[in-house]
Amino acid sequence: GAVVSQHPSWVICKSGTSVKIECRSLDFQATTMFWYRQFPKQSLMLMATSNEGSKATYEQGVEKDKFLINHASLTLSTLTVTSAHPEDSSFYICSASQALGDSPLHFGNGTRLTVT
Amino acid sequence: QKEVEQDPGPLSVPEGAIVSLNCTYSNSAFQYFMWYRQYSRKGPELLMYTYSSGNKEDGRFTAQVDKSSKYISLFIRDSQPSDSATYLCAMKDTGRRALTFGSGTRLQVQP
Repeated sequence: GAVVSQHPSWVICKSGTSVKIECRSLDFQATTMFWYRQFPKQSLMLMATSNEGSKATYEQGVEKDKFLINHASLTLSTLTVTSAHPEDSSFYICSASQALGDSPLHFGNGTRLTVT
Repeated sequence: QKEVEQDPGPLSVPEGAIVSLNCTYSNSAFQYFMWYRQYSRKGPELLMYTYSSGNKEDGRFTAQVDKSSKYISLFIRDSQPSDSATYLCAMKDTGRRALTFGSGTRLQVQP
């Protein structure tokens, strides 16, 4: 089955520093990956759509200069939280689908970010 | 009004019970419907994926879609303590590849 790997699974950083989260599709090529954010006991909220070889598309209210997304290859997308603040503490999850069209999305195991 | 409504629960049932989880939606453009299971501090795991009205069965799980009523359900037969998790419905239309999620229902199966 389609496997999406996310790294790290958890990270603690100091306020003002930057953190990079990686999302890899292990056994398929993903032209598009998605980044979600989830607060405790809440649902997943789409942050941005990451397209291989082009700029990411951000949802309304998401700061593109704060959440930098790079999709350099068909199997890797990265999310960098720049100048992190405590309010950025959250659970970040990526997803990818195997092909164009309507195949279902598979999710990584998420990254729990804590900013102190 | 949210595009997708889902009762957050928590829902507590005894082991062996039949569980019914439901979502309603307002966007008639949604054509693809999914159920995910999420354990605490883990990513969502795809359980069921359907794109037509009717029932789809996979082991102890049955997904039901009623597009005319904009209503989807997930049934879990012979529920087990290991089924205790949050269940998220998700859906999308043909023009957008990202998913719109329900808020999730927390299920607790008591041994």
